[in-house]
Amino acid sequence: KQEVTQIPAALSVPEGENLVLNCSFTDSAIYNLQWFRQDPGKGLTSLLLIQSSQREQTSGRLNASLDKSSGRSTLYIAASQPGDSATYLCAVRTGAGSYQLTFGKGTKLSVIP
Amino acid sequence: GAGVSQSPSNKVTEKGKDVELRCDPISGHTALYWYRQSLGQGLEFLIYFQGNSAPDKSGLPSDRFSAERTGGSVSTLTIQRTQQEDSAVYLCASSLQQGPYNEQFFGPGTRLTVL
Repeated sequence: KQEVTQIPAALSVPEGENLVLNCSFTDSAIYNLQWFRQDPGKGLTSLLLIQSSQREQTSGRLNASLDKSSGRSTLYIAASQPGDSATYLCAVRTGAGSYQLTFGKGTKLSVIP
Repeated sequence: GAGVSQSPSNKVTEKGKDVELRCDPISGHTALYWYRQSLGQGLEFLIYFQGNSAPDKSGLPSDRFSAERTGGSVSTLTIQRTQQEDSAVYLCASSLQQGPYNEQFFGPGTRLTVL
């Protein structure tokens, strides 16, 4: 059974810092990995989707990498801003048939002005 | 175009009552997923629809939970005889087609509180 772990569970940084969020998964036979952002009381906003054949994806100040063989992904946020404060979720797509996402429990990020 | 919508946004009910949660996927999306986000448990898969059929119900926690989809569009998740442990945020997602490479788009969720 696929398990996804995110470390740290919470992170507080001063504005302007670069930071890295970590995600690991136990079964390397994934189709893709997705990073989401969740604001309090809101749904999920997709940030980056990395297919299994890719090594990284970039969008603005965000860069996500994928090392499928070691079961790891990182989300790099450059020049953090208070508006980046949210919970970041990592999810992988495995299995056959339904291809549902298996989620980590998230990292709660606070960017202090 | 419009994204995935869910209603109600909040639902408070008494233990033992039945509730219905609704999901309107993005128009034209054939695949639909229900997930549950419980405090401390993270997001868990409940059920998957391809068109109107549900080939994967493996995540439904008990037979009190059921779901249907009509016209290949709207889906309803029904919880019978609600219990306090059913309190959670229920999220719906849709994707254009079946298959592992199609991105899932999430709705805002329904927060269910069982008193």
